[in-house]
Amino acid sequence: AQKVTQAQTEISVVEKEDVTLDCVYETRDTTYYLFWYKQPPSGELVFLIRRNSFDEQNEISGRYSWNFQKSTSSFNFTITASQVVDSAVYFCALSEDPHQAGTALIFGKGTTLSVSS
Amino acid sequence: GAVVSQHPSWVICKSGTSVKIECRSLDFQATTMFWYRQFPKQSLMLMATSNEGSKATYEQGVEKDKFLINHASLTLSTLTVTSAHPEDSSFYICSARTSYTDTQYFGPGTRLTVL
Repeated sequence: AQKVTQAQTEISVVEKEDVTLDCVYETRDTTYYLFWYKQPPSGELVFLIRRNSFDEQNEISGRYSWNFQKSTSSFNFTITASQVVDSAVYFCALSEDPHQAGTALIFGKGTTLSVSS
Repeated sequence: GAVVSQHPSWVICKSGTSVKIECRSLDFQATTMFWYRQFPKQSLMLMATSNEGSKATYEQGVEKDKFLINHASLTLSTLTVTSAHPEDSSFYICSARTSYTDTQYFGPGTRLTVL
């Protein structure tokens, strides 16, 4: 069965703190994609990253970094030096066998991040 | 990048009426479109998958006669909520992908409020 677990429902930090959002997934496929999306109060999903199952390299994009570990089925997201504008709901998602048309995303329940000044 | 639009962005309707939501891929042909529903403070749940020219495939628990999905062209899919009730109030989000990419592009969402 496919499943994405984001155990942290809400996280509150103070500006400039580093914060890590956890994501654990379950899948039977050997080929799959993992995603992170940001959903600000406006509701629109903002794409952050896509990682395929064959690429375990960690990635850094500005203040954002991602740690993909197949051994623990985790795809964690770290924001360094958080800012108030980072306040949003963050979703981790899984897509199995993405090259088959009709494969939807399975979303975790989301983590609400609140960054205070 | 690929752009997906939704119309309307928000709608308020009376109980018992039907509401149509449009999802358009503006600069690419979407062979597959997905409809998700998000209740307040909850995650996105897939409602149905539609391939152009075919009948939509609905997820378990989603009433196909209540949520009518049409994907008549490669750039347009519509979701019609028939005989809407207050419990149908939700945020409806569509996404679209082509057959040659593994990326889904999300629309901005439609907030439906049924009074």
